[in-house]
Amino acid sequence: DGGITQSPKYLFRKEGQNVTLSCEQNLNHDAMYWYRQDPGQGLRLIYYSQIVNDFQKGDIAEGYSVSREKKESFPLTVTSAQKNPTAFYLCASSIRGREAFFGQGTRLTVV
Amino acid sequence: GQSLEQPSEVTAVEGAIVQINCTYQTSGFYGLSWYQQHDGGAPTFLSYNGLDGLEETGRFSSFLSRSDSYGYLLLQELQMKDSASYFCAVSPGTDDKIIFGKGTRLHILP
Repeated sequence: DGGITQSPKYLFRKEGQNVTLSCEQNLNHDAMYWYRQDPGQGLRLIYYSQIVNDFQKGDIAEGYSVSREKKESFPLTVTSAQKNPTAFYLCASSIRGREAFFGQGTRLTVV
Repeated sequence: GQSLEQPSEVTAVEGAIVQINCTYQTSGFYGLSWYQQHDGGAPTFLSYNGLDGLEETGRFSSFLSRSDSYGYLLLQELQMKDSASYFCAVSPGTDDKIIFGKGTRLHILP
């Protein structure tokens, strides 16, 4: 079955640590995205990528980094520079920005 | 800047019809999408409007007016399982960017 796989589902981070969230898709989509969702809030765009080896900052890119070395993979690193990283992180892919397919998300908690 | 406005909460009765509005202000526009998200889950795609008019998919319909920068999602024959958050989203340009509204929480009363 085609889809998007995010791992891990739950992640705990100590203050000052970098952590990397995995996102893999087998839908053959060119575009991929990372969103952050806080309780009761909408989805805020962190980074997006139209094509391999290219990505663009979204509205809240500070404290995050990404890479797009393969079409199928778009990992997100939450760096120690992100002061409030506890949130629900959602990865998505789409065909030309029309219909986005989402992974099941990663809940990151700073301990 | 770019922004999407939608009501934060809407309440309706089971079996009734409800409309969720969305107005947008973006630097460009290619289409308006709608997504459903149940508590604890991931958003799922409902519909897309690239042109003015009504798109119907079963109990759900979506409307777009590009001249008014406005769209809505219409849910008919409401069921308890429709209790969820609904997000409108805009593709503002050719770079495949998708930006979301803050979502509308739909409460359904029996």
